[in-house]
Amino acid sequence: EAQVTQNPRYLITVTGKKLTVTCSQNMNHEYMSWYRQDPGLGLRQIYYSMNVEVTDKGDVPEGYKVSRKEKRNFPLILESPSPNQTSLYFCASSPTGGTGELFFGEGSRLTVL
Amino acid sequence: GENVEQHPSTLSVQEGDSAVIKCTYSDSASNYFPWYKQELGKRPQLIIDIRSNVGEKKDQRIAVTLNKTAKHFSLHITETQPEDSAVYFCAASKSRNNDMRFGAGTRLTVKP
Repeated sequence: EAQVTQNPRYLITVTGKKLTVTCSQNMNHEYMSWYRQDPGLGLRQIYYSMNVEVTDKGDVPEGYKVSRKEKRNFPLILESPSPNQTSLYFCASSPTGGTGELFFGEGSRLTVL
Repeated sequence: GENVEQHPSTLSVQEGDSAVIKCTYSDSASNYFPWYKQELGKRPQLIIDIRSNVGEKKDQRIAVTLNKTAKHFSLHITETQPEDSAVYFCAASKSRNNDMRFGAGTRLTVKP
């Protein structure tokens, strides 16, 4: 089954404790991206990647890191999480980059205390 | 960069009525305009999209219109049903190598 898989789906952590949210897709898509969803603000892009070893900042990259060492994986790293990073995170992939359908993962709800 | 504004933020209609959600964009180079539906607790899913070389596109009860001159596009849902209740997001992008910008979303409630 074609899908985008995120883990963990739910996480409660404390300020400053490094964490990684994994994202994997099995559709051989070149384009992958991370969004955060906050009430009243919609989906805001954090980082995106056009291909392996190619990443670019989105609207809200501060406090986040990403890497794209393999085509299928695009992990989101919070080196020192803060409470303002409490949010619902979505990973997405697309076969045609910014001008095609995005396939979203199920979301990861992160709470930073 | 691109800025997408979406209105209204909430919309309530009676079952069977029509619903219209409007978005404006700022970058005249944008050429791809998708609409996503997000049901409660679910992931966003594409419901319809339009490219800048087309003025209107329909798919059963949903349609999207695009006015490039005014830089706005709209989602039209006719004969609304309770299962249309969801949050709807518009978005805009301008090239394969660019990011996609989303509007803030519209929460549509269809009352039976």
